[in-house]
Amino acid sequence: GAGVSQSPSNKVTEKGKDVELRCDPISGHTALYWYRQRLGQGLEFLIYFQGNSAPDKSGLPSDRFSAERTGESVSTLTIQRTQQEDSAVYLCASSLGQGGAGIYEQYFGPGTRLTVT
Amino acid sequence: AQSVAQPEDQVNVAEGNPLTVKCTYSVSGNPYLFWYVQYPNRGLQFLLKYITGDNLVKGSYGFEAEFNKSQTSFHLKKPSALVSDSALYFCAGSYYGNNRLAFGKGNQVVVIP
Repeated sequence: GAGVSQSPSNKVTEKGKDVELRCDPISGHTALYWYRQRLGQGLEFLIYFQGNSAPDKSGLPSDRFSAERTGESVSTLTIQRTQQEDSAVYLCASSLGQGGAGIYEQYFGPGTRLTVT
Repeated sequence: AQSVAQPEDQVNVAEGNPLTVKCTYSVSGNPYLFWYVQYPNRGLQFLLKYITGDNLVKGSYGFEAEFNKSQTSFHLKKPSALVSDSALYFCAGSYYGNNRLAFGKGNQVVVIP
């Protein structure tokens, strides 16, 4: 079946502009996660959705970052007034079930590479 | 709270030799531990996980990992490395009811022909 898809694959934007990143999870996966991966670094947790609610958004680095999810489907990560330090690969993942990340493995999309000039 | 450490930056191994990628964890309560692999220009792929039960966990592509509670380790192993195993490997950890998966910084594995 189809895996997690993300769009766009690459995004170059000017400092100060807003960007929207999209994630289509695997059908039937109730949990959805956003991560940020800076060059040469590990994954930084941003936000977790269970269905269309976000019980844990404490990883969002500033109020310029926001995310929403429609039902158990598409999610959008929005970054307002982008800064150069926002340049990174943004990864989306989905998994089965409730109870958090503990038991179920996450399936990752290919990521969106964001470059802020 | 949880954290995962991957102490090495890069692991170089000759093709056909055993491969080990190290991971240690600090997790409240009983840990759930995962290994993921990231090939160039591709997303992370799940390799294996430890939830409970046998300390030796077998996963995809001939990889296995051993959970060692006394040493708080979950090292990834493969008996005979292939050139195609060259990739970035991430260890991750969590615990029951926790939403976050804490990732290590990753280890670049280079298998030399």
